[in-house]
Amino acid sequence: EADIYQTPRYLVIGTGKKITLECSQTMGHDKMYWYQQDPGMELHLIHYSYGVNSTEKGDLSSESTVSRIRTEHFPLTLESARPSHTSQYLCASSETDRDGNTIYFGEGSWLTVV
Amino acid sequence: KNQVEQSPQSLIILEGKNCTLQCNYTVSPFSNLRWYKQDTGRGPVSLTIMTFSENTKSNGRYTATLDADTKQSSLHITASQLSDSASYICVVSDRGSTLGRLYFGRGTQLTVWP
Repeated sequence: EADIYQTPRYLVIGTGKKITLECSQTMGHDKMYWYQQDPGMELHLIHYSYGVNSTEKGDLSSESTVSRIRTEHFPLTLESARPSHTSQYLCASSETDRDGNTIYFGEGSWLTVV
Repeated sequence: KNQVEQSPQSLIILEGKNCTLQCNYTVSPFSNLRWYKQDTGRGPVSLTIMTFSENTKSNGRYTATLDADTKQSSLHITASQLSDSASYICVVSDRGSTLGRLYFGRGTQLTVWP
């Protein structure tokens, strides 16, 4: 059972609002990730982190930003939401050094921007 | 171009029957291949991880095979249950970067009918 948690699970907000999706893990993992997934489509990496104060952009361009002030916490922020941001956002974490480590996913945050 | 292709896109089987899902990849240099199960509206859950030297791995009723020469993998589900209804995602990791970049397939949507 993975100890990685996302809140909120579901969110409907208006265009132009600022939102933060929370992600926390209690496994002490250094690596954390944010993926975006549209229904029936593959996951796309939008942000990742190797550890505290480390953040990098992923393969899919995103207007969101992330921070990693504590090992266990990796929030994602949209300063001004738009309908094109409507999607599912999945947070994940893994251990750092060994090849083939399991990546644990949170339950996801479904965002709808109206 | 590194890609992961899964087939079939969707599959319907009767409870108790067996089925096999396919994954072909072009990712190089290859590091490992993972199968995940994703229930509707939930985050993916790891089923198996295989490295280059492994050609089969089981997890209960799930058995994954890997042929690194032909770059093919399969996931065999035995004696299917209603709870097996989900999307099954093939994920291939490369050795080309520190991150161990992940390439996701779009998944096979399995429906098990009573």
